[in-house]
Amino acid sequence: EPEVTQTPSHQVTQMGQEVILRCVPISNHLYFYWYRQILGQKVEFLVSFYNNEISEKSEIFDDQFSVERPDGSNFTLKIRSTKLEDSAMYFCASSEMGRLGVYGYTFGSGTRLTVV
Amino acid sequence: RKEVEQDPGPFNVPEGATVAFNCTYSNSASQSFFWYRQDCRKEPKLLMSVYSSGNEDGRFTAQLNRASQYISLLIRDSKLSDSATYLCVVNNNAGNMLTFGGGTRLMVKP
Repeated sequence: EPEVTQTPSHQVTQMGQEVILRCVPISNHLYFYWYRQILGQKVEFLVSFYNNEISEKSEIFDDQFSVERPDGSNFTLKIRSTKLEDSAMYFCASSEMGRLGVYGYTFGSGTRLTVV
Repeated sequence: RKEVEQDPGPFNVPEGATVAFNCTYSNSASQSFFWYRQDCRKEPKLLMSVYSSGNEDGRFTAQLNRASQYISLLIRDSKLSDSATYLCVVNNNAGNMLTFGGGTRLMVKP
């Protein structure tokens, strides 16, 4: 079964440092997403990406965040200057269809970011 | 009012029991509906999409009531392996953003 791959699985960083979270979406998928889940809370949308540009973003996705598809396979989330409250599980996801249809998304296994 | 609201549980049931989860959503323009399953510290995994006509996949049955803005999931003959958090998920707009409920935790006991 095709998978969305995320690396690293766990990242510890000092407050104020930049981090890059990496994702390899499913190869024939065209839509890519980042979500986050703070421990004990619900999954929250950050951003969606299609055709090499952001198509939607939430209020959480402020100027500290950016996304990039640097080549044909990777999709990255950068946090420029991490804060303690950025500590969360970050999930990458991809979907084949623009309107989700019946398939929803496929999520990666996540990167646990701990800001100290 | 929360966009997608679920009873957090936990629901503690014996093996073989039938259990039902409910979910309400606030945006009447919502277009797509899903149930996801999330195991502890793992990613959400799609369990099933939810259609107005209702749909069934093995022991799982999902129903959607657009008039009441209500979604349900019924699990029959519960297995130990069904223990997880069940997430009600709604696509609220013309884009692809998903809005998640807080999840309902299910614990199936021997």
